[in-house]
Amino acid sequence: QSVLTQPPSASGTPGQRVTISCSGSSSNIGSNPVTWYQQLPGTAPKLLMYTNDQRPSGVPDRFSGSKSGTSASLAISGLQSEDEADYHCATWDKSLDGYVFGTGTKVTVL
Amino acid sequence: EVQLVDSGGGLVEPGGSLRLSCAASGLTFSLFSRYCMNWVRQAPGKGLEWVASISYGSLYIYYADSVKGRFTISRDDAQNSLHLQMSGLRAEDSAVYYCSTAAGIGNYHFDFWGQGTLVTVSS
Repeated sequence: QSVLTQPPSASGTPGQRVTISCSGSSSNIGSNPVTWYQQLPGTAPKLLMYTNDQRPSGVPDRFSGSKSGTSASLAISGLQSEDEADYHCATWDKSLDGYVFGTGTKVTVL
Repeated sequence: EVQLVDSGGGLVEPGGSLRLSCAASGLTFSLFSRYCMNWVRQAPGKGLEWVASISYGSLYIYYADSVKGRFTISRDDAQNSLHLQMSGLRAEDSAVYYCSTAAGIGNYHFDFWGQGTLVTVSS
């Protein structure tokens, strides 16, 4: 049972902008930074965004992150076919004393 | 570059035990020992679920409520390895298990991930 809520799917045509939301509570997103992981089909997750809006080296700048209150968002601008993947948000929950993940969003490039 | 290789998965009957391992390469002993290590699992067709974390020096250990009392996370810094001893396995523990690194526990992200090892609990 995931503590963070994400839409199950999102889609767009190449070049479009897609946004994925991640909704939590005061004990998790409201208190701690959010991380995003990208999981390409059949592979392990990969770090995509950390501390809400920081991109690791090698992640294209078409990916951007933001956080406000108890929600966070990941935006993909200029959608490309290789962006077709599952995207997971995550953070620490101080009430549960553990990490929590989102339900995951499958992005499809039409 | 850091590489993590997960192993030890397989088919086990309900109530059985299994020991997973994660071998780290591309890291010196001193660097590996400073990392916090984690296990995350993913049931077929489902999202990610955090399982357990262990700090450097094994000073702090955290477990998800779903595995507390049944799973034990441990590390062997001399061997650059991480382990997960699983007992009292249930069908709902069936998943791909990934190990990952983090700079700390809490407000930290998982930097590197293993390729995963599949655990199937079934009679």
